[in-house]
Amino acid sequence: KAGVTQTPRYLIKTRGQQVTLSCSPISGHRSVSWYQQTPGQGLQFLFEYFSETQRNKGNFPGRFSGRQFSNSRSEMNVSTLELGDSALYLCASSLAGPGSGNTIYFGEGSWLTVV
Amino acid sequence: DQQVKQNSPSLSVQEGRISILNCDYTNSMFDYFLWYKKYPAEGPTFLISISSIKDKNEDGRFTVFLNKSAKHLSLHIVPSQPGDSAVYFCAACTSGTYKYIFGTGTRLKVLA
Repeated sequence: KAGVTQTPRYLIKTRGQQVTLSCSPISGHRSVSWYQQTPGQGLQFLFEYFSETQRNKGNFPGRFSGRQFSNSRSEMNVSTLELGDSALYLCASSLAGPGSGNTIYFGEGSWLTVV
Repeated sequence: DQQVKQNSPSLSVQEGRISILNCDYTNSMFDYFLWYKKYPAEGPTFLISISSIKDKNEDGRFTVFLNKSAKHLSLHIVPSQPGDSAVYFCAACTSGTYKYIFGTGTRLKVLA
């Protein structure tokens, strides 16, 4: 069974630009979560989607947005990029979503550098 | 407000000995806990989980202990192997919130 696939793996953007990251979950998984990892900050929750509905959102500015398609694939978008947005963006999928008995499985991440 | 804390940024252990990684949490509503291992340039890999109705769960060399009264979680790796050298994250969730909250990680180095 293929794992969680994230594209692109690496990208460099300029301040003020926008970026779209893509995530294909494990086949059959309907929940997709997004996390941001920066040095010393652990993994910060961005949002979670299930069947195209956002069920929870973390404490990030409105420049961070996401969506999920009917095939469970998900995208996240960051507009008006700032230097502080440089991070590893991780996508995770699960059958029913974070919660008791439900493990989330991560992709390898998308490394974003903002210059 | 860091609800999940891993107060030791790093830990070094001799090969063959026990590694104990600790995690503290503040939210008594957490009812499911996970441990992940992360190598550089890779996504986190799931290791082991525990529900709040249990106090121990084992899977091979990995055992997770949960002390609800102390709001403390620990991961024991026995015996430790050089390939276990990685960053370990604990995560916690309250059912119905649809999000895991992660600690900042502990870098484990197993010395050959």
